[in-house]
Amino acid sequence: ETGVTQTPRHLVMGMTNKKSLKCEQHLGHNAMYWYKQSAKKPLELMFVYNFKEQTENNSVPSRFSPECPNSSHLFLHLHTLQPEDSALYLCASSQDRGRATANYGYTFGSGTRLTVV
Amino acid sequence: GQNIDQPTEMTATEGAIVQINCTYQTSGFNGLFWYQQHAGEAPTFLSYNVLDGLEEKGRFSSFLSRSKGYSYLLLKELQMKDSASYLCAVNGGSQGNLIFGKGTKLSVKP
Repeated sequence: ETGVTQTPRHLVMGMTNKKSLKCEQHLGHNAMYWYKQSAKKPLELMFVYNFKEQTENNSVPSRFSPECPNSSHLFLHLHTLQPEDSALYLCASSQDRGRATANYGYTFGSGTRLTVV
Repeated sequence: GQNIDQPTEMTATEGAIVQINCTYQTSGFNGLFWYQQHAGEAPTFLSYNVLDGLEEKGRFSSFLSRSKGYSYLLLKELQMKDSASYLCAVNGGSQGNLIFGKGTKLSVKP
């Protein structure tokens, strides 16, 4: 357990379904991130939240909708996804945005393995 | 643009030494990270370099040359449990977010 918990670990959904991914951290961090990890591709940054405010949307399609109700929780709402959206979705947190140093490195969750059928 | 390159796969023998290289071109630089990721698990922090030189931490060492845009991760006395993907990441760009390479899948064989 890393301190960042993601649920569910696995999710299979149809293209017309609506589902949500959840991320929770109790490390006292103020920044949270969603990353997409596809086979043979680098980790792709999707969204950044700093002190509950969205500070970055990396040109992510609107079928992915993030929500950050407080500094400890982050959601990714999914609707009308495509098969190419199948990937491992990783949540991470850090002390605050941009302060990824040895003392403030990112802590990752174990991810949600998403399959769109 | 932002680019981080590392080999896709490497194979090494238990007990040996392996070096995983990483080269980067980023608009900014505030440090370089190495993460280890076992299949189906979270990436975990291994090392951080912001100044040139070698950082040693047990069996793992990491080296940085900022002028060359180059780093390597050195793993000594390899164990079977070291079989994993190793991700190179740079804190660069205007927003200070981490930019990741594709990762190097290391297989350790008996």
